[in-house]
Amino acid sequence: QQQVKQSPQSLIVQKGGISIINCAYENTAFDYFPWYQQFPGKGPALLIAIRPDVSEKKEGRFTISFNKSAKQFSLHIMDSQPGDSATYFCAHTESGSARQLTFGSGTQLTVLP
Amino acid sequence: GAGVSQSPRYKVAKRGQDVALRCDPISGHVSLFWYQQALGQGPEFLTYFQNEAQLDKSGLPSDRFFAERPEGSVSTLKIQRTQQEDSAVYLCASSLERGDSYEQYFGPGTRLTVT
Repeated sequence: QQQVKQSPQSLIVQKGGISIINCAYENTAFDYFPWYQQFPGKGPALLIAIRPDVSEKKEGRFTISFNKSAKQFSLHIMDSQPGDSATYFCAHTESGSARQLTFGSGTQLTVLP
Repeated sequence: GAGVSQSPRYKVAKRGQDVALRCDPISGHVSLFWYQQALGQGPEFLTYFQNEAQLDKSGLPSDRFFAERPEGSVSTLKIQRTQQEDSAVYLCASSLERGDSYEQYFGPGTRLTVT
């Protein structure tokens, strides 16, 4: 049972454009929402994370927007670069749990030069 | 500083063989997690340690999978009598677990291929 639905499955963006990846969840007990970036042959790397008491968090070119009432959160990559081409995963943890991450299905981003 | 390291990076096993995968977490990190990542999928949780205690093993797919962290640092994931469906990348992550910090840092993974 997938607890977080991620879209789109793949995304192609021109250099300098904005990449937007969306995730939707159902369980309101989820209380930590990170985004991970993964390059082929590498482990996932933490990009940015947010808690549900904050509506937006920005770090450099990466922004998380969080809509608690809609149970949705999204990753925005501003001024996308070819080096951003990777697979992106949203994830969450659940309060009271062991804090294991449950991941979305991933979005393969390609930024064209 | 040094990140999470895993060894071997690649492992080919014949069906029925036993394998052992090693994880060296970031020094001082209390929590250690194992995940399994099938090709084209997101990682899936296998098991969790807090120091040397295995507090959650609900994600282990069968009793052929066993994990340990005897001294609260290095961890080993062992798979007995490997099957083809065990082929995947096995990821280890560690976390400081201080205050409300939930950040998990992943190693490069071990790619297991069962032939």
